[in-house]
Amino acid sequence: NAGVTQTPKFRVLKTGQSMTLLCAQDMNHEYMYWYRQDPGMGLRLIHYSVGEGTTAKGEVPDGYNVSRLKKQNFLLGLESAAPSQTSVYFCASSYSGTSTYEQYFGPGTRLTVT
Amino acid sequence: GQQLNQSPQSMFIQEGEDVSMNCTSSSIFNTWLWYKQDPGEGPVLLIALYKAGELTSNGRLTAQFGITRKDSFLNISASIPSDVGIYFCAGPPSGGSYIPTFGRGTSLIVHP
Repeated sequence: NAGVTQTPKFRVLKTGQSMTLLCAQDMNHEYMYWYRQDPGMGLRLIHYSVGEGTTAKGEVPDGYNVSRLKKQNFLLGLESAAPSQTSVYFCASSYSGTSTYEQYFGPGTRLTVT
Repeated sequence: GQQLNQSPQSMFIQEGEDVSMNCTSSSIFNTWLWYKQDPGEGPVLLIALYKAGELTSNGRLTAQFGITRKDSFLNISASIPSDVGIYFCAGPPSGGSYIPTFGRGTSLIVHP
C-alpha cells in the first residue's frame, strides 16, 4: 500500500496564479483532511471531509477550496495565490469510528508564492 | 479553536539521555495522540491513548494519559540520533468533536 500520497512535492507560484494540490489514499478511509504547517505554528486545519461528496471548513479556510468527488481523493485548490499561502501543506486520512483520531499523513507539498 | 500547550518548545540533548515532554489543555480530552515528524516528512503516529491514567509504551517511547484528562506526557529513554524531529500532541476535546487539535510541537535535537 502506498498510504497517503500528495502531488506535487514542490511548487512555486506567482501571486494571483491558481493551482490544485492532489491527495490520494488507498486505505479506504472515510475521513480526509488538509493542513498547513508554518514555522512555530504547528498544524492548522484548512478543510476536511467526512465522506465522498462532503466537505467542511477547518480553522483557516480562507483562500482555499476543496472537493471530494471520489472517496480516495481530496483536492485542495488555491484560486488566486497570495504570499501568505507560502507554506507546507499536508494531507491526512483516517477511519471513521473509534480510531478516527488516528491520522495517516502524506509527505507534504512545499508551496512558495512569490 | 482549542489550544494545546506543549512544552518545552525545543530540547537539545546528548545521545543516551532520557527525554520528557508534555502537553496540557484547559479542556478535558477523551483521547491523546502523539506524533513524530522527521525533517522533510509528514507526521507519523507514535502512540494513541484512550483512557485516563493509561500508560502505553512503543519501544523506547512511553506516553501517559493524565488522570485529570487535561494533560499527557511523552518520555523517550536512551535517546539516539534518529530521535531528532518534532513531536506533536493532538486530541479531540470532549463534546463530540471528531477533529483533533494539534499542539505546536516540541523540537528535539540529539547530539551524538
